[in-house]
Amino acid sequence: LAKTTQPISMDSYEGQEVNITCSHNNIATNDYITWYQQFPSQGPRFIIQGYKTKVTNEVASLFIPADRKSSTLSLPRVSLSDTAVYYCLVGDSFSGGGADGLTFGKGTHLIIQP
Amino acid sequence: DVKVTQSSRYLVKRTGEKVFLECVQDMDHENMFWYRQDPGLGLRLIYFSYDVKMKEKGDIPEGYSVSREKKERFSLILESASTNQTSMYLCASGRQEHNEKLFFGSGTQLSVL
Repeated sequence: LAKTTQPISMDSYEGQEVNITCSHNNIATNDYITWYQQFPSQGPRFIIQGYKTKVTNEVASLFIPADRKSSTLSLPRVSLSDTAVYYCLVGDSFSGGGADGLTFGKGTHLIIQP
Repeated sequence: DVKVTQSSRYLVKRTGEKVFLECVQDMDHENMFWYRQDPGLGLRLIYFSYDVKMKEKGDIPEGYSVSREKKERFSLILESASTNQTSMYLCASGRQEHNEKLFFGSGTQLSVL
């Protein structure tokens, strides 16, 4: 089971780009990297997923270096509403056995200030 | 949109009571999960199920059991609630495909007095 390490908290300001890095030194060949966002009093919601290089969607970008031992979630031009906890998960998800990819950990509490 | 519905938003029970937390999903997902979330500890997986009547232990199954009699419904059972089970409980579901994302309910805040 690949273990992840993220900063406990981060601060930034509205309009800035925010990068949250996740370390996963023992990532396996079949593992994907998935990020979720959680607002207070809500369940987490999927943001982005990738395997290598760069993935971009309407919400964020995910940068994964060639060795895949880390990944960086990039949020462009954040607003106050981006204040949330962000979780990095690494694993092969689930296909009938095992729970890889389902361990959320403590996440990174991102606080955006005006 | 996928909807995962948890039966109660807030629940207050007494020590020793049997507690049922219900979760229903409307997207015909094969996989369903129960997590608990506590301040400073993040989300921890209690149990999951990949098919009707199938269940697997997660990281912290002690003191809990689950039931999956129908595909859309996954119940978490506290046989004899204790104060250390006071927590936010989150249900999730997902398709049984490689790296499919999870969809979460809004959670049930359980207080055991």
